Amino acid sequence: EAGVAQSPRYKIIEKRQSVAFWCNPISGHATLYWYQQILGQGPKLLIQFQNNGVVDDSQLPKDRFSAERLKGVDSTLKIQPAKLEDSAVYLCASSSPGTEPYEQYFGPGTRLTVT
Amino acid sequence: DQQVKQNSPSLSVQEGRISILNCDYTNSMFDYFLWYKKYPAEGPTFLISISSIKDKNEDGRFTVFLNKSAKHLSLHIVPSQPGDSAVYFCAGLDGNMLTFGGGTRLMVKP
Repeated sequence: EAGVAQSPRYKIIEKRQSVAFWCNPISGHATLYWYQQILGQGPKLLIQFQNNGVVDDSQLPKDRFSAERLKGVDSTLKIQPAKLEDSAVYLCASSSPGTEPYEQYFGPGTRLTVT
Repeated sequence: DQQVKQNSPSLSVQEGRISILNCDYTNSMFDYFLWYKKYPAEGPTFLISISSIKDKNEDGRFTVFLNKSAKHLSLHIVPSQPGDSAVYFCAGLDGNMLTFGGGTRLMVKP
């Protein structure tokens, strides 16, 4: 079974530029999560989707961050415009209905550096 | 407000000995507590969990202990192996939301 795929793996941009990350969850996983992991900290949930609907986006900075999962499969996370403090690893995870919500499978992440 | 705290950023242990990783929490609404392991350039992988109504869960070399009155949990790895060297995150589950601690880097020396 293929794991969670993310691209790109690394991205360097200047502040005020825009960037987008892509995630392809494990086939059949209805729930998709985006996390932000700042260096030295644990992952922090940004947004959770159930199929193509948003379950929780309470910690998403909506003035600059947006995410979508139009067909209930792939998802994109966008930052516009980026700030220096957005430098982090952005992790995508997915889980299957009928399993415990903590059984989340994580992708390798996208490391973003904002200069 | 950090709901989950791992106060030791790093731990070094000799191969074959016990590794004990600690975690404190403040949110009484957590239903489950979990440990994740993370290798460099990879995403975290689920290791072991414990329900908030239990005080111990064991899976092979890994045992998690929960002390609800102290709001403290710990992960014991016995015996420790060099392949266990990684960053370990504890997390609490409240509904559908996972809240992670800052992680502890474990180094197991041969």
